[in-house]
Amino acid sequence: QVQLVESGGGVVQPGRSLRLSCAASGFTFNSYGMHWVRQAPGKGLDWLAVISYDGSTTHYADSVKGRFTISRDNSRNTVFLQVNSLRAEDTAVYYCARRKAVSGLGLEYLDYWGQGTLVTVSS
Amino acid sequence: DIQMTQSPSSLSASVGDRVTITCRASQDISTYLNWYQQKPGKAPRVLIYAASTLQSGVPSRFSGSGSGTDFTLTISSLQPEDLAAYFCQQTYTPPLTFGGGTKVEI
Repeated sequence: QVQLVESGGGVVQPGRSLRLSCAASGFTFNSYGMHWVRQAPGKGLDWLAVISYDGSTTHYADSVKGRFTISRDNSRNTVFLQVNSLRAEDTAVYYCARRKAVSGLGLEYLDYWGQGTLVTVSS
Repeated sequence: DIQMTQSPSSLSASVGDRVTITCRASQDISTYLNWYQQKPGKAPRVLIYAASTLQSGVPSRFSGSGSGTDFTLTISSLQPEDLAAYFCQQTYTPPLTFGGGTKVEI
């Protein structure tokens, strides 16, 4: 069965960096794009970034462009999110999710999600 | 960026009620619209994709409609297990923005 397991969260001081990981299993990882989405406590979903199946294409939310970097290692079935210059407003649960394309139509959706990793930015 | 506006932000309904949630896009997104359900303490799961296609395993009381800028998620007969937050998301163009969410209380 498809599994996505995030790790790398924790308590970090403002201005510091973290690298979040998402380990995938149960599917052919190098055939799927992957997303990162976050959710601040008690708030809605905030889409962050997507990477194509081969890592050649990435897109970011304007709010994190230049501070966050999505990458992947297909040999390790893992997608990463490097988060730099952390701010209090980056405190959130960070989810990775699999991109499911609806073939031939250019449509897509996020069909499997991990359970998330909590990042708390605090001095 | 495309803005997604959901309404209402919360609602309270009784078991068996018909519930409707709306989502409006700031520009035409055709049918590039998905709906997700998030139960308390859990990760989201997709209910509807491409505006009206029911994801496998999702109960048939959930349905989606709309195209262009206006979309609707309907729960035909609300059940206790439908207590959750519901989010729309456009995938027409990056950034793939979500609506603010609708919290459904029973």
